[in-house]
Amino acid sequence: SYELTQPPSVSVSPGQTARITCSGDVLAKNYAFWYRQNPGQAPILVIYKDNQRPPGIPARFSGSSSGATVTLTISGVQAEDEADYYCQSTDNSGVIFGGGTKLTVL
Amino acid sequence: EVQLVESGGGLARPGGSLRLSCAASGFTFSSYWMHWVRQGPAKGLVWVSRISSDGDTTSYAESVKGRFTVSRDNTRNTLYLHMDSLRAEDTAVYYCVRERGSPNGPNWFDPWGQGTLVTVSS
Repeated sequence: SYELTQPPSVSVSPGQTARITCSGDVLAKNYAFWYRQNPGQAPILVIYKDNQRPPGIPARFSGSSSGATVTLTISGVQAEDEADYYCQSTDNSGVIFGGGTKLTVL
Repeated sequence: EVQLVESGGGLARPGGSLRLSCAASGFTFSSYWMHWVRQGPAKGLVWVSRISSDGDTTSYAESVKGRFTVSRDNTRNTLYLHMDSLRAEDTAVYYCVRERGSPNGPNWFDPWGQGTLVTVSS
């Protein structure tokens, strides 16, 4: 089981906004990070420290935090955004990941 | 360009051993903590191990403690993961990742290598 809880799947139509949540007690006091993993590829960082976007990540990716829940928002979803998304944080035992959310672009 | 390239994966028998390598380039390897993260077939990401920039400090997930050993050679810009007493549940793609952030946290992973597949089966 995972100490960070994500919905297994989210579906949106192209051009719509996708919101992927990640919940866990540790998020109330620790930062969250988001990774995107396209099929057959390695994960890449898309958001760090809850809401910071690394260089090269499109502006349509954003992050937010409220209490023990963080949210990755993808505005104007494109077909290429179809991927698995994982949140990550830390707890007393070290690095933890959410179970992942498969984003399907209809 | 920052790059991490893993190698050494393959088929191992239960109880056997493998050593993974990760060749780093494009950054000052000796300045960064490094980690291994694995992903089982059709499963999520799981942290495995980490090592400090100078190699003096290591830590492991409970599931691999006592069986896996992480090390590094800063003269060769290479990270290693020596895996002993392999089990079927160790079957996964193993990723080498660079830690970002401050020494006392928070820490995140960027970039990731392309991964190397380890299969444990008789």
